Amino acid sequence: GQQVMQIPQYQHVQEGEDFTTYCNSSTTLSNIQWYKQRPGGHPVFLIQLVKSGEVKKQKRLTFQFGEAKKNSSLHITATQTTDVGTYFCAERPPTLGYSSASKIIFGSGTRLSIRP
Amino acid sequence: SAVISQKPSRDICQRGTSLTIQCQVDSQVTMMFWYRQQPGQSLTLIATANQGSEATYESGFVIDKFPISRPNLTFSTLTVSNMSPEDSSIYLCSVAGGTEAFFGQGTRLTVV
Repeated sequence: GQQVMQIPQYQHVQEGEDFTTYCNSSTTLSNIQWYKQRPGGHPVFLIQLVKSGEVKKQKRLTFQFGEAKKNSSLHITATQTTDVGTYFCAERPPTLGYSSASKIIFGSGTRLSIRP
Repeated sequence: SAVISQKPSRDICQRGTSLTIQCQVDSQVTMMFWYRQQPGQSLTLIATANQGSEATYESGFVIDKFPISRPNLTFSTLTVSNMSPEDSSIYLCSVAGGTEAFFGQGTRLTVV
């Protein structure tokens, strides 16, 4: 089945440094979503990309969807302690039937920790 | 958006027992999803709970181990049956919005 891998698994940076996580799929993705999970919390939706080569920005966060729609990246500029958490890419596959509608398939995640 | 109330938030259980986790949504939804997140790992979908029909389980998960109820469009339960230490995980319920997924706060289960 489809697997969505993320690298790195862990990243420890100094506050103010940049951070990037990469998401790679073995198959073409219909879309890519990004979620953030704070320690002890639940995943929270950040953004969805749909188009090949699409780039979206949210303040210090830049999201990119690859031209082949098999990879994506999340880049954080000048990290802050509030950025700590695990970042997951995910796909919401197209509906194949009633029973599979709207489920989300999550990537393996990248855990970001920050030295103040 | 959707607000999901999940309980209990955590529990410590003896092996061989069962725990039922409840999720209440503040609006009617067709499907609710149950995920497991093992320590330090990603989220894995257990099953999709449909109102009025049996839940649909993902590969590796079976109804006898994770029975699910969906009595109405705002509520669902997941039972973790005959627990073993390997079932120690965070269990999360989820609903899908127009684009994004919304999650309950999670149930942190420790089996001893």
